[in-house]
Amino acid sequence: KNEVEQSPQNLTAQEGEFITINCSYSVGISALHWLQQHPGGGIVSLFMLSSGKKKHGRLIATINIQEKHSSLHITASHPRDSAVYICAVKETSGSRLTFGEGTQLTVNP
Amino acid sequence: NAGVMQNPRHLVRRRGQEARLRCSPMKGHSHVYWYRQLPEEGLKFMVYLQKENIIDESGMPKERFSAEFPKEGPSILRIQQVVRGDSAAYFCASSPTGGVTLANYGYTFGSGTRLTVV
Repeated sequence: KNEVEQSPQNLTAQEGEFITINCSYSVGISALHWLQQHPGGGIVSLFMLSSGKKKHGRLIATINIQEKHSSLHITASHPRDSAVYICAVKETSGSRLTFGEGTQLTVNP
Repeated sequence: NAGVMQNPRHLVRRRGQEARLRCSPMKGHSHVYWYRQLPEEGLKFMVYLQKENIIDESGMPKERFSAEFPKEGPSILRIQQVVRGDSAAYFCASSPTGGVTLANYGYTFGSGTRLTVV
């Protein structure tokens, strides 16, 4: 079993829909990242959070430390949001990140 | 303030050759991490370095792979005698500290080097 599990693996939406991607982890963490990766492109850090909720534009990230769960929400989705979204955790001990397998999001016009 | 710079972006090597991947961290960052993304797989940790020191290499294959981060110059990930299974995207990230405090964690990724072994 992976230490970081994401769901769904693949998600197809129509433009304008509200999207939720979930991440569950089984280790103690000090921080959780949500990352975005476009095909053939680099990795962009969207959020880093350790508690509560953060918002940036149409993106919202929440984390529940007790339940070891985080969600990434995209409001009013757009085709340019199509990408792989990756959840990564920094364990309490150590400095490296452990990654989920990613969620492939496709937003159709 | 340039971000994390990786070069080359694309690298093609024949089986048995050596591959050298370079990573220049963000200015002021002294911690470098290398991650590998195999085709159709998620990212996996390889090695964590500070200047002149390897802190954690538990994710690095025991043979043919080595990494360094000299006092001057970029961090280098070196793969000797490459095989087809080494074909992957290799990402570097840097941070100003080892992550002791969240406020200055500042984890930033490079654009990656895509290695193809033919």
